[in-house]
Formats: sequence, C-alpha cells, structure tokens
Amino acid sequence: DVKVTQSSRYLVKRTGEKVFLECVQDMDHENMFWYRQDPGLGLRLIYFSYDVKMKEKGDIPEGYSVSREKKERFSLILESASTNQTSMYLCASRKSGGTEAFFGQGTRLTVV
Amino acid sequence: GQQVMQIPQYQHVQEGEDFTTYCNSSTTLSNIQWYKQRPGGHPVFLIQLVKSGEVKKQKRLTFQFGEAKKNSSLHITATQTTDVGTYFCAGSPGNNRKLIWGLGTSLAVNP
Repeated sequence: DVKVTQSSRYLVKRTGEKVFLECVQDMDHENMFWYRQDPGLGLRLIYFSYDVKMKEKGDIPEGYSVSREKKERFSLILESASTNQTSMYLCASRKSGGTEAFFGQGTRLTVV
Repeated sequence: GQQVMQIPQYQHVQEGEDFTTYCNSSTTLSNIQWYKQRPGGHPVFLIQLVKSGEVKKQKRLTFQFGEAKKNSSLHITATQTTDVGTYFCAGSPGNNRKLIWGLGTSLAVNP
C-alpha cells in the first residue's frame, strides 16, 4: 500500500521559532509537493521538487524554504514562524509523468 | 497566471438529489484530475481525464472533459450521506509537473 507520511499530525509553535515539517514517501516518486490549505482558499502550492536536490517555488513561497536531500524525503522549513502561517500543511508525491498525487495525512500547525 | 475556477463553492442537497460541480480553466489542459476530501481527511484521487470530450463513470459519479480541454464537470446521481466532502478538480498544463487546483466544492447531504 502506497504511503506518504508526515512527521506530525498536530504542531504548536511559538512566533519566531524555526519549524521543520517532514514528509516521507515510499513509492520512489520523483515529484513532491508542499501545500497549505485554508478555509475558502483551497490548496495553495508552496514549493515543489521534481527530483533530488531540485526545487521550484510555487504560488506562495514567501516565509518558507524546502530541502530534498534524498528522493524519499521532502522537508518544509518555516524560517521564523508567524501567526499567519497557522494552517493545515499537506505533502503530496507523484510519479514523474504519472497520474495521481498521493497525499499525506496533513499537519495542522498552530503558531502562537 | 493559469487558473482553474470551480463552482459552486458550497452545495447543500437532500439525500437522493443530484449534484454537479464545474471547473473552468483559463488555458488548455493536457489532463484534469478529480479528488475528494472527506471532512478531517486529505484529498484522495478519484479519476483522471485526458481526451477531448471524454466521459468516464464510477458507479453514481460521471466525469466529463470538455471538447476544448478547458472545462470539466463531476455529476453525482442520487447523492448519499457518504458523498459528503469537498470535491477538487486539478488540471495539468503542458509540462505536466504541477497541478493547478480549483478551490473545491463542499457538498453537504441531508439524510
């Protein structure tokens, strides 16, 4: 059974903290994505990676960075967390040229 | 930039009624996908449409891709309470690397 695993389901962090969200997939997929989901705004792409050590900015990259040192792992980094980054974060992976995207269970981050 | 508009944003139906959600893209798509997200869950892939004018069925769900490959629809016949959730369309532009997502249609079904 295919799997995308996010390191935490719920996370509470303080303003100004550096936050790491980890995502691991076991399907040998080339493409990985980080989205945030907020009510009424749908899924907004933060960053994506189409191969190891490759990354591209999505629609809302400000305040975020990413790391893809290994094919199976894609990390999202909030350099200095702010309250407007309180959100649901979803990681997804997809085979290059493939069809469906597989999502992790999501991390609900609250920044206080 | 490239956009996919999805309507309606919300739909509330009585169990047994039909439901349709529509997606319109500002540009031609190479394919379109549909996902369902149950409350508290994550998006789960339903189907992909690739060909112009394509129609696919999954039990009570009918998916269509427009002739110009710029619009798509999902129709549910005789809704059930298990259909509750948010339905998203997501289109692939030519390079097929990232998906352009609609904002989703949230479906509520009264038993």
